[in-house]
Amino acid sequence: EVQLLESGGGLVQPGGSLRLSCAASGFTFSSSDMSWVRQAPGKGLEWVSAISGSGGNTFYADSVKGRFTISRDNSKNTLYLQMNSLRAEDTAVYYCAKPPEGYNSGWSKLGYWGQGTLVTVSS
Amino acid sequence: QSALTQPASVSGSPGQSITISCTGTISDVGGYNYVSWYQQHPGKAPKLMIYDVSNRPSGVSNRFSGSKSGNTASLTISGLQAEDEADYHCSSYTSSSTVLFGRGTKLTVL
Repeated sequence: EVQLLESGGGLVQPGGSLRLSCAASGFTFSSSDMSWVRQAPGKGLEWVSAISGSGGNTFYADSVKGRFTISRDNSKNTLYLQMNSLRAEDTAVYYCAKPPEGYNSGWSKLGYWGQGTLVTVSS
Repeated sequence: QSALTQPASVSGSPGQSITISCTGTISDVGGYNYVSWYQQHPGKAPKLMIYDVSNRPSGVSNRFSGSKSGNTASLTISGLQAEDEADYHCSSYTSSSTVLFGRGTKLTVL
C-alpha cells in the first residue's frame, strides 16, 4: 500500500525557514517523480514544485522560485521541501503527492497524496 | 501565471447531471491533453478522479467523465449522489513544465 507521510510543519515568523519531509513507502520511491502541492486556508490547490525520480530535474512555481528547494534522498525514501524567506502568503497545508498506479513520471496527474502538514507564517 | 478559471459553485439534485468547466489558455489546457480533476471533501486530501482529460483511475465511478474542447476542459458527473458533494479542482500541465490549478468549484447536492 502506498503511503506518504508529511512532517515538519509548524509556526514560523516571516523571513524564517522550515524544512518539510515526506516519508514514502509501498512503492519504488527512486523510480517515481514527486510533487509538493499546497492549499491556503479556504483556498484552492496550488502546485509548488516537482522533482524527477533521480533528483536530477526540479521544477518550481513562480511564486516560490528562488526561495524553496525540493530535494530527495532515495536511500531514505524521503522527499524534502526547504522553504526559506517565508511570507504570510506561504501559510498553507502542504501535501506531497505522486503519480497514480501504473505511472512513474510526470506531475500533471497525482494519484496518491499524503495527509498534509500545516505551515503557518506569522509574527 | 493566473489560475485556471472554474465556476465558484454549481449545484444539482440527486440523479441529475452537472458539468464543471475549467478554462485556460493555449499554453496550458489548450496545448496539452494533461488535464486532471480532483475531488476534495472537507478536511481531506484531494482524490484524483480524471487524468489526461478523460481517463478514470481504477476505482473511480463511471459516473465521472472528462472532456476538452479548445482551451476549456469539463468534468461531468451523472446520476448525482449525496456523496458527490465536495470541492472539485482542475489542473493542467503548462508550457513552462509546471502545473496550474483552478480555484476550485464547490458542488452542492440539493
